[in-house]
Amino acid sequence: AQSVAQPEDQVNVAEGNPLTVKCTYSVSGNPYLFWYVQYPNRGLQFLLKYITGDNLVKGSYGFEAEFNKSQTSFHLKKPSALVSDSALYFCAVRGNTGGFKTIFGAGTRLFVKA
Amino acid sequence: GAVVSQHPSRVICKSGTSVKIECRSLDFQATTMFWYRQFPKQSLMLMATSNEGSKATYEQGVEKDKFLINHASLTLSTLTVTSAHPEDSSFYICSARTLAEYNEQFFGPGTRLTVL
Repeated sequence: AQSVAQPEDQVNVAEGNPLTVKCTYSVSGNPYLFWYVQYPNRGLQFLLKYITGDNLVKGSYGFEAEFNKSQTSFHLKKPSALVSDSALYFCAVRGNTGGFKTIFGAGTRLFVKA
Repeated sequence: GAVVSQHPSRVICKSGTSVKIECRSLDFQATTMFWYRQFPKQSLMLMATSNEGSKATYEQGVEKDKFLINHASLTLSTLTVTSAHPEDSSFYICSARTLAEYNEQFFGPGTRLTVL
């Protein structure tokens, strides 16, 4: 069965500092991995995805994520946080079996303090 | 990126009435659409998956007679909450994806349903 874990409910970081939002996954076969961001009372916005190839994936708004197969992780990172990055972040995984259903993590709320 | 719209954005209804929510992919053909429900401060719960022209596949525990899903075209899916009750109050989000299984999903802005 597929699963996604986001171990931190909340991450606090000062503006200008690097940020990391953690994600680990469990899936049969090769995973398709995604990060989405949600602002209050809005739908999710796609940030980036890993399908195959380079383990470091670059996405929207300066975000990037590193796929680590041995640790089954796909942590989201940004070198310098902005106050406007404060939002709810979801990691998602889709396996290549079982109808390609996407499973979302519980979400991590990011607070960036000025 | 591709745009998915949802209508209405907010609806308040009386208990026992039915509510229809529309989801449209505006600039791409969505072979697969998804309906999610999100409770406050929680993740998305997949309710059902629909492919254009086919019956929706509902997740375990989701009543298909209560949450009617129609995916009549490649750009439109509707969710009808029948005989709504206060416990159906939630944030409903639709999502659309093109054929390739590795493609990202694009999400609508969500519909806040409040049943009085």
